[in-house]
Parts: sequence; structure tokens; C-alpha cells
Amino acid sequence: QSALTQPRSVSGSPGQSVTISCTGTSSDVGGYNYVSWYQQHPGKAPKLMIYDVSKRPSGVPDRFSGSKSGNTASLTISGLQAEDEADYYCCSYAGSYVFGTGTKVTVL
Amino acid sequence: QVQLVQSGAEVKKPGSSVKVSCKASGGTFSSYTISWVRQAPGQGLEWMGRIIPILGIANYAQKFQGRVTITADKSTSTAYMELSSLRSEDTAVYYCARDQVVDKIITGAFDIWGQGTMVTVSS
Repeated sequence: QSALTQPRSVSGSPGQSVTISCTGTSSDVGGYNYVSWYQQHPGKAPKLMIYDVSKRPSGVPDRFSGSKSGNTASLTISGLQAEDEADYYCCSYAGSYVFGTGTKVTVL
Repeated sequence: QVQLVQSGAEVKKPGSSVKVSCKASGGTFSSYTISWVRQAPGQGLEWMGRIIPILGIANYAQKFQGRVTITADKSTSTAYMELSSLRSEDTAVYYCARDQVVDKIITGAFDIWGQGTMVTVSS
């Protein structure tokens, strides 16, 4: 199973919105609603931000939202804050798990 | 709240094996699935396999079939990941993570992660 495709980096100023795409195939992202997103700060373990395409775990700010269209899932961060600067990974579950290539979000 | 605490860093020779542990504290262990995910330096996340402790059943990513063994000891609430025939490319941080269950349904997401264990393979 090949890694899902994400942009290498995205950036935005504080208060702006950024969107990260995650492209797979009809066998993973497109075929199931088991898409999750993780935030990872340097030297730290990943943190679950979105599951089931668009659901937020308790404690995750509503600035984070997820969606999916066809074989591409997206994570949008609205009202960008300095602490949002991190790496973000998508993940699709279809019997086994496949992660995205990762996107570095930079807050300018 | 459940916490996953992993064993410490390891340095191994090429061709040898490493066994990393992941102990759950503060909640039910057996009824959840535990996965292992690794991250090479500067690289992305890679799923290796998982185990359902209550059943003792494990399944593995195709890439690691034959080289990884995931086990669990219900009596100590500990999961283990053993990787054999180590090579330099196996140098990575290894994480254990719990598969999330919401309303008794697996969501396909990892809601709790261990702190990670650095494994260095070097001659």
C-alpha cells in the first residue's frame, strides 16, 4: 500500500486559514470514511485531531475541521495560531492503516 | 485515563533483534487493539501491525511480515513488538498506539500514543 499524498508544506499568517490535502485511491480514502488526522510537534508523539473524516475528539479546538471529496480528504485550520505550527499526517484505515507523507505547517 | 508507557532507547547491531514494550496504565487494556507505528529520522509515520490482547490475534503490514512479531501479556497490560534481522534502515522511533473505540465501534484512528522508543541500528 502506497503512502497517501500530502503537500510537503503550507504556510499562513496568524488568523488566516490553511487547508491540507490528502490524496489516496478508491481502495483507501475514497472507499471508506475512516480518515484521521494527526498533529505532531518536534520530538513529540502524534496527537489525534480528526477521526471519521470530520469528527473532533474532545479537547480539540473547533478551528480544526475535516472533509472528504472522492479520493481526497482535507484538513482545514481556521484562525491559525502560533501553536498550530507542526507536522500533520492523514491516515486511512481499510483493514490496514496507511499514513500520508506529512505536511509541515508554518505560521508566518 | 489510559496512558501507554514504553521501554527505553535501544542500540542494536545489524542482524540482531529488538523487543520494545508498551505498558498500559489507568484503564482497560485487553479490550482495545494496540498498534505499532514507526518513524525514521526526518520521515513520516509507518504502520507496522497490531494486536487484540483479549484474543491474542495479531496482524501485520505486508512490508514487515516475517520480520515483526507483536504479542501481549494481559496479566501485566503490556504489549510487545519484536523486530528481527535489523538493518540500518530500521533506525527509527517506534510508537505504540491505541485504536480508538467510540460507542463500541472502532473508528480506525489512534487516540492514545506511547512516548516513543528510539531504536538505533549501527555497527
